[in-house]
Amino acid sequence: AQKITQTQPGMFVQEKEAVTLDCTYDTSDQSYGLFWYKQPSSGEMIFLIYQGSYDEQNATEGRYSLNFQKARKSANLVISASQLGDSAMYFCAMNSGGGADGLTFGKGTHLIIQP
Amino acid sequence: DVKVTQSSRYLVKRTGEKVFLECVQDMDHENMFWYRQDPGLGLRLIYFSYDVKMKEKGDIPEGYSVSREKKERFSLILESASTNQTSMYLCASSFRGLDPSTDTQYFGPGTRLTVL
Repeated sequence: AQKITQTQPGMFVQEKEAVTLDCTYDTSDQSYGLFWYKQPSSGEMIFLIYQGSYDEQNATEGRYSLNFQKARKSANLVISASQLGDSAMYFCAMNSGGGADGLTFGKGTHLIIQP
Repeated sequence: DVKVTQSSRYLVKRTGEKVFLECVQDMDHENMFWYRQDPGLGLRLIYFSYDVKMKEKGDIPEGYSVSREKKERFSLILESASTNQTSMYLCASSFRGLDPSTDTQYFGPGTRLTVL
C-alpha cells in the first residue's frame, strides 16, 4: 500500500519569499510517480509538477521545483518568489507502476501568501 | 490544453434520489477516475475505468456505480443518495502509457453535491 504524508496543515509566507512544502511517501514499488497539485478556493485541481522514481534530476516547471530525495522518500515542492495568487491548498500525490489504479493523495497544506 | 468538464458545479438533491454526475474529457484519454474530497480525509478514489465499458472499484465504491459507454464520458451514479454522500466530487483523466506511474491525471472543476 502507498502512503503520502504532508506534515504542514497550514503555512503563512511573506510575498516574494521562497516556500518549501514538505511531502514524504511510502511505497514498496520500484517504479512510481510523484505529483503536486494546487487547489484554489474555486475547487479545481491544477497539475503543477511531476517526478518519476527513475529520474535523476529534480523536476522544474517555471517557479516550481521538486526536491526529490529518494533515499529519504521525500518529494518537497519549492515555490520560488511567491505571489499572492499562490495562496491555495497544495496536495502531494503518487502513482505506481502497477496500473491505472488512481493517485494516492496526502491531506494537503494550506498555503497563505501575505503581502 | 487538456479539458475535463463536469456537468454541474453545484448540485442539491434529496435523500433517496438517483443522482448522475457526468464527466467529459476531450484528450482521447484511456483512463478516467472519480474521487470524492472531504475535509480532513483528503481525496479518495471511488471508481476508475481504463477503457470503454471497463470499470474498477477504488477505495470507497459503496453506494456508487459508474458507466462508461463512450471513451470521452465517465458517469458516476448515486443509486439512492444519502446525506453522507454530501461531498465534493472530482473527475480526472489520463493517458495510459507504457509505465502507468508516469500517467499525469488532469482534473475537472469539481461538483459540490449536497444531499438534504
